[in-house]
Amino acid sequence: GIQVEQSPPDLILQEGANSTLRCNFSDSVNNLQWFHQNPWGQLINLFYIPSGTKQNGRLSATTVATERYSLLYISSSQTTDSGVYFCAVEEVAGGGADGLTFGKGTHLIIQP
Amino acid sequence: ETGVTQTPRHLVMGMTNKKSLKCEQHLGHNAMYWYKQSAKKPLELMFVYNFKEQTENNSVPSRFSPECPNSSHLFLHLHTLQPEDSALYLCASSQHGGGYGYTFGSGTRLTVV
Repeated sequence: GIQVEQSPPDLILQEGANSTLRCNFSDSVNNLQWFHQNPWGQLINLFYIPSGTKQNGRLSATTVATERYSLLYISSSQTTDSGVYFCAVEEVAGGGADGLTFGKGTHLIIQP
Repeated sequence: ETGVTQTPRHLVMGMTNKKSLKCEQHLGHNAMYWYKQSAKKPLELMFVYNFKEQTENNSVPSRFSPECPNSSHLFLHLHTLQPEDSALYLCASSQHGGGYGYTFGSGTRLTVV
């Protein structure tokens, strides 16, 4: 099956700093999503981004499908940005509705 | 609320109990999924239902039994669980071919004692 690797595994930043999270995947995908898991366990969908670039406020994401990676940018970090960020993909070979494969996540801590 | 509702939010059960987790989606999606998240492990796909038909079962023990009576509802029946089954169980839905991604519920945090 497809492999998903996220880096860095842990990141500690001061409030106001910018950060870049990376997701590498091993095969072609027809779905790539970035999620933020809050302290209560809920997965909040940040971006559906199998290719291209999207922005939503202080967050933006870019996926370069031909090179099999995606980047999540967080600017002007706030303490509420703390949590675990997951990249998840659905590979093309499966034909869809086969479930997302998740990376291990990046644990982000924003200190005041 | 995300459009996917899971109940209960928390569950404590003994190893000899039988319980069920419920998931309901209000998004008109045609595929539903169960995931398990254990401490310090990535999310693991357990079951996939596509148009109410089970299309994936990732070697899940038979003490976990899924049921999908219609495209809006998904259950996970639990019996004779082990303490290592304690985890966060997440339900998700998607529209096959829709191109809008997966939506997850808030999860059920299960503790087996």
